[in-house]
Amino acid sequence: AQSVTQPDIHITVSEGASLELRCNYSYGATPYLFWYVQSPGQGLQLLLKYFSGDTLVQGIKGFEAEFKRSQSSFNLRKPSVHWSDAAEYFCAVGGRVGGSQGNLIFGKGTKLSVKP
Amino acid sequence: GAGVSQSPSNKVTEKGKDVELRCDPISGHTALYWYRQSLGQGLEFLIYFQGNSAPDKSGLPSDRFSAERTGGSVSTLTIQRTQQEDSAVYLCASSLARGQGAWYGYTFGSGTRLTVV
Repeated sequence: AQSVTQPDIHITVSEGASLELRCNYSYGATPYLFWYVQSPGQGLQLLLKYFSGDTLVQGIKGFEAEFKRSQSSFNLRKPSVHWSDAAEYFCAVGGRVGGSQGNLIFGKGTKLSVKP
Repeated sequence: GAGVSQSPSNKVTEKGKDVELRCDPISGHTALYWYRQSLGQGLEFLIYFQGNSAPDKSGLPSDRFSAERTGGSVSTLTIQRTQQEDSAVYLCASSLARGQGAWYGYTFGSGTRLTVV
């Protein structure tokens, strides 16, 4: 069965520090992978996506993620965190074929706090 | 419209009452999805529409939950005889289509926060 695991429920980093949010997925084929961000009281905004090709993908707001097939991971990174990055981050996986195509499966999210 | 619009943004209801949640997708988006976001549980898929039909209702938690979509546009999620465990944020998303086009990401609405007291 498809699943997404975000091992860290809550992470606190200092402003200006680097960030890595972990995501591991379980899927029987090469998946589509996404990172979304949700600010309080808001819907989800797409940060970046991986479909195929270059395994390092760039997104908005200075975020990037790397697809590592051998580790079934799609970790999100940012070299220098800004206070405005404080939010909840969701990793999601989608299938390419099969009955569940089109339904994204989301992780439970990682809440990011930023210290001044 | 410019984005996915959901109403109401907040709803407080008494246990046992019925509620209707509305989603107005982006114009031209044929695929529409409902998700439920409970505290600490992430996003749970509820139902998917392609046009007015719902080929995948597998996520609806019970027969108290139903949804419809009319005119290939607005969708309504109805919860009958609400229970306290129904308290959550209900998110709607739309995309151009299911399949290749849908993988360019969903556009989410801001959600309806439902509180059952």
